[in-house]
Order: sequence, then C-alpha cells, then structure tokens
Amino acid sequence: AQSVAQPEDQVNVAEGNPLTVKCTYSVSGNPYLFWYVQYPNRGLQFLLKYITGDNLVKGSYGFEAEFNKSQTSFHLKKPSALVSDSALYFCAVRDQAGTALIFGKGTTLSVSS
Amino acid sequence: NAGVTQTPKFQVLKTGQSMTLQCAQDMNHEYMSWYRQDPGMGLRLIHYSVGAGITDQGEVPNGYNVSRSTTEDFPLRLLSAAPSQTSVYFCASSPNSLAPTDTQYFGPGTRLTVL
Repeated sequence: AQSVAQPEDQVNVAEGNPLTVKCTYSVSGNPYLFWYVQYPNRGLQFLLKYITGDNLVKGSYGFEAEFNKSQTSFHLKKPSALVSDSALYFCAVRDQAGTALIFGKGTTLSVSS
Repeated sequence: NAGVTQTPKFQVLKTGQSMTLQCAQDMNHEYMSWYRQDPGMGLRLIHYSVGAGITDQGEVPNGYNVSRSTTEDFPLRLLSAAPSQTSVYFCASSPNSLAPTDTQYFGPGTRLTVL
C-alpha cells in the first residue's frame, strides 16, 4: 500500500535562511509525488509535482523539491525563506489506480523575522 | 474560471441532523472527490467520482453519501450527523479520470461542527 511520511510536525527557520521540509514515501510502481501548501483558513494550493525525469522539480513561489529514488524521499526546499511562507505543508502520493491522493500528516513551517 | 467552489464555508449541526455540502467546478473536470481533514491526520478520501453517474468509496465513506448527476456538481450528504464527523471538508477535481499524474485542485473547504 502507498504511504507518505512527514517526520517533522514543525519546522522553524529564520527569514532569509534556506528551508527544507522532509517527505518520504512508500509505493509499489512509479511514484507520482505532490506538494501542497495550506495557509490558515484556506484550501490547499498546489506547489509542484514529480512525475518523471529531472530529479529537481521547480514549483510555485520559489519552491523546489528533490526526488531521491534510492532514499525514497521528496524533500521540499527553498533557498531563502520568507515570513509569508509560514503555513502547513502536505506531501502526497497518487495511488497507482489514480483514485486518490495519499497525504502525509502535514508539517507546519514557521518563518520568523 | 471560478475553479472549485464549496458552500457553505461554515456549518454547525446537532447530532442526528442531515445536510448537504455543495461542491462545483467549472473546469469540465472528469474526476471529483471529497476529503476530510482532521488535526494530525492529513487528508483522507471519503468518496470520489470518475464522471457523471459514477461514484465510488474512498478510505472513510461511512456516514456519507454522494451522487454525480452532472459533470460540474458533486454534493456530499451527511445522513445523520455525529460528533465524529466534525472536520474540515475539501472537494477536489482533476481533469482526467484515474490519471495518476494529474494535479488535483482543491476548493476552499467547509468547516463542519457537530454538537
């Protein structure tokens, strides 16, 4: 069965510093991986996805994610954090049947000024 | 395009009451789905639809019904609300049914409290 783990409930970084939000996955077959962001009292916004090809995926708002097949990881990164990046971040994998996204529990990112 | 819209934004129910959460999309997407979000549990799939007239159960379907009479609309019905159904509900859609590479687009959510 597919699963996603986000090992950190919260990540704290200072503005201007690089940030990493971790995600590991377990799938049978090809992994189709997604990152979403949820701002307070808002819906989920799509950031980026990995389907195939280049292991470094670039997405919205300056975010990128690195796919590592050997470590079964798909960590979200940004070179320089902004206070406005503070939000709840979800990693997800699409199940092989295409019926659902399997979500991690989410990681709260807090960027201090 | 308005994207995925949901109504109401907030709802308070008493145990045993019924209600319908509305979801609509104007992108002509084939696939639509309902998730619930609970603290520390991420989002879990309730029901999904791969096209008008076709629905199926997800991970947590008990206590919920759905129907899909048109491509645009996918309402979620709570038959007899229970406190365990207190949650935030999200509707999502994607262009092609059962295409695992498609991006799902989410509505703004409905926050439901059952007393």
